[in-house]
This record gives sequence, structure tokens and C-alpha cells, in this order.
Amino acid sequence: NAGVTQTPKFQVLKTGQSMTLQCAQDMNHEYMSWYRQDPGMGLRLIHYSVGAGITDQGEVPNGYNVSRSTTEDFPLRLLSAAPSQTSVYFCASSYTGGGGYTFGSGTRLTVV
Amino acid sequence: GESVGLHLPTLSVQEGDNSIINCAYSNSASDYFIWYKQESGKGPQFIIDIRSNMDKRQGQRVTVLLNKTVKHLSLQIAATQPGDSAVYFCAERWDSWGKLQFGAGTQVVVTP
Repeated sequence: NAGVTQTPKFQVLKTGQSMTLQCAQDMNHEYMSWYRQDPGMGLRLIHYSVGAGITDQGEVPNGYNVSRSTTEDFPLRLLSAAPSQTSVYFCASSYTGGGGYTFGSGTRLTVV
Repeated sequence: GESVGLHLPTLSVQEGDNSIINCAYSNSASDYFIWYKQESGKGPQFIIDIRSNMDKRQGQRVTVLLNKTVKHLSLQIAATQPGDSAVYFCAERWDSWGKLQFGAGTQVVVTP
């Protein structure tokens, strides 16, 4: 049981490049979310999903796209990377009831 | 907008003492309040949650207290150990969409 798996762990992008951060969970969780965490800060919600085919924006959605074609996968796409998107990105998943989300180990992204 | 926030950015605790981490919240509609622990370079790890209709919940060495009158949440760690050194986040969750909103975090440093 792998939990929440994020790939890659590290990535360096040039300004203007696009890329997809991958997230997969094997717990059959309905809810999945993407967060970004800047140094010394809390986690800010980018996008979230309550099930396959259903997504919505969080606090900081600009510059990011998501889709949820399966229960297991929730990729995050950076359309045109900017230095302001340098951050650590966390994917998380949860059942519909209960409080806790399970988090992945993160992707550290640097945009130069 | 409404948010979750923390009173103290850093808490220094002597090994063996009890720790108390505080959190203020402003959204009365939250269904769950959750505490996470984040060690350096890792994703947040679920510690304990409490439903909004409860005022106290205990786990192993941890107790969460919820005071809805003053919109205050606290995490008590008994007999703090060096392994408890980490950043602790409170978060609140709305059931219908499962949105999880985090506070800024408190750094707990355990001294020998």
C-alpha cells in the first residue's frame, strides 16, 4: 500500500516552460487536493477534487490546471512556469467523511 | 476572508515537559479541526482531529481541545520528546467539499 505518490521529487524549470506534476493514490479516496508551501509558510490550496470528473479552485489557482479522469490520479499542470511558482507542492487525498487527509512527500519545484 | 491562524510562531519546550500549541479560527461552519505535524523535508502527517460537535479528544500522548465559544483550538503533547520537534499546523475542514484550510504553523523545538 503506497499511499499518495508524487513524481518527480525535484524539478528545475526555465521560465515559460510547462510541466505536469503527477499524483496517484491507491486508497480509493474520493477527495484529492493540491497545495503549495512556500518557505516558512503554511500550505495554500491550489485545486481540489471531490471525485472523478469534478474539480474546483482553491485559494491560489492562477497558473495551474487540473483534471481528474480517474479516482486514483490527480495531475497538476503548470501552463507557463514563473519564478513565483517556485515552491514545494503537496498532493493529498481523503475519504469523504472524517478529518484527515493523507499527504504525499512533495515535489520541490524551482523556476529559474 | 475567514482563516485559521496561530498565536505563537515558535515554541521551545524542555524534554519531558508538556507542550501546548494554540490556534484561533474564525469559520464557525467548519466540520472538523485537524492537527498535522511536519518534519523537515517531509509532507504533513495527520496527528489527530476533532469534530465540531466535540470539545475534547485524546490520542496517544496528545489531546485536542476545541472551544467554540471563543473559536480556539489547542493541541497538548504530554511528556514531549526530541522526536516531537517539528512544525505543527492546525487546519479546518468543510465536509461537503472536503476543503482543508491550513494555518501558518508553529515551530516546536524540544531542548534536552
